[in-house]
Amino acid sequence: EDKVVQSPLSLVVHEGDTVTLNCSYEVTNFRSLLWYKQEKKAPTFLFMLTSSGIEKKSGRLSSILDKKELFSILNITATQTGDSAVYLCAVEGHTISNFGNEKLTFGTGTRLTIIP
Amino acid sequence: SQTIHQWPATLVQPVGSPLSLECTVEGTSNPNLYWYRQAAGRGLQLLFYSVGIGQISSEVPQNLSASRPQDRQFILSSKKLLLSDSGFYLCAWNHGMSYLYTEAFFGQGTRLTVV
Repeated sequence: EDKVVQSPLSLVVHEGDTVTLNCSYEVTNFRSLLWYKQEKKAPTFLFMLTSSGIEKKSGRLSSILDKKELFSILNITATQTGDSAVYLCAVEGHTISNFGNEKLTFGTGTRLTIIP
Repeated sequence: SQTIHQWPATLVQPVGSPLSLECTVEGTSNPNLYWYRQAAGRGLQLLFYSVGIGQISSEVPQNLSASRPQDRQFILSSKKLLLSDSGFYLCAWNHGMSYLYTEAFFGQGTRLTVV
């Protein structure tokens, strides 16, 4: 059974701090790891990672994948109150079945709260 | 551009009543479709996924069922709701033809409260 574990479960920091969110996984035939930000309702896509050691960057957010150690981190620098959200990590594993082979397994998320 | 619609946004139903949540996708064809549930304190739990009309795979045994009567329509149902069915339900889609397109796009969700 595919498994995704995120840590910490929740994090409270002051505006301007840098945070690191962790995601470890066990999955059959890994294909990709994705990070989402969920503020109120629907999660929105942040990054998709497929290769080890290659950092993906978007503004103050960056992420990197380690396929040997089976984890990924999401970094947010100079945090702002608008960064407050639940950050979800999801992993796609390739499974052969009669009904196709692409589905995402999500972690429980890290709730990040930024204090002004 | 592709859009995903999910309704209703909120729903309060008594125990034992039926349920029907609908999700439709526009602007794409033959999407993979998913139903997730997000219960308080838990992550997104995959309930059902479908790679084509009439093809439904269930991930967990439960009181719910899903159907895909049309290519871009995915319905989540129950004949008799339980209190434990309360939660936030999300519909999602992605492309199934290439792993390059595994990003999933989510609907706005339905907050279901069973009373």
